[in-house]
Amino acid sequence: DQQVKQNSPSLSVQEGRISILNCDYTNSMFDYFLWYKKYPAEGPTFLISISSIKDKNEDGRFTVFLNKSAKHLSLHIVPSQPGDSAVYFCAARDNSGGSNYKLTFGKGTLLTVNP
Amino acid sequence: NAGVMQNPRHLVRRRGQEARLRCSPMKGHSHVYWYRQLPEEGLKFMVYLQKENIIDESGMPKERFSAEFPKEGPSILRIQQVVRGDSAAYFCASSYRVANTGELFFGEGSRLTVL
Repeated sequence: DQQVKQNSPSLSVQEGRISILNCDYTNSMFDYFLWYKKYPAEGPTFLISISSIKDKNEDGRFTVFLNKSAKHLSLHIVPSQPGDSAVYFCAARDNSGGSNYKLTFGKGTLLTVNP
Repeated sequence: NAGVMQNPRHLVRRRGQEARLRCSPMKGHSHVYWYRQLPEEGLKFMVYLQKENIIDESGMPKERFSAEFPKEGPSILRIQQVVRGDSAAYFCASSYRVANTGELFFGEGSRLTVL
């Protein structure tokens, strides 16, 4: 049972345009959401996060939006740059069982930004 | 730059052999987490350790897999009698305290191939 779903395996955008990466979840007990970025042959690196009590968090070119009623979040990158080309993982934390350190990841979306 | 160090980066084993993966956390970090990424999948939590203690091994397969984090030295993930289905990327992450906001620092991963 996949609790975090990234339905688009890949996304291609032009440099300077907006990239929108989507993520859906099924577990209503998730209270914290994160985006990780991963280059080939490297480990994931933390990008941005959002608490379930908020609906938006912004950090420079990166903004994450959370729609709790739809159980949906999205990552916006604007303007997109070729260096943003990577796999982006959506992850979520369920704090209800006390395991607040355990993340559930989606399968990832490969973003390609074309010059 | 003392990031999370994992070795070996690549490991090839034949079915039935043992695989040992090592993880040295970031300096000052005493919490270690192991995640596994199967092909075409997201990262899945395996185990959470503190120095000399296994805190949560709920994601570890019940047989053949074990993990330790001794007082001195790196954390070790050990897989006995490997099978082809064990082929995956194994990522280690560390944190200074319990990563209750999920902002883990990941290593570059160890890629295990079972022939």
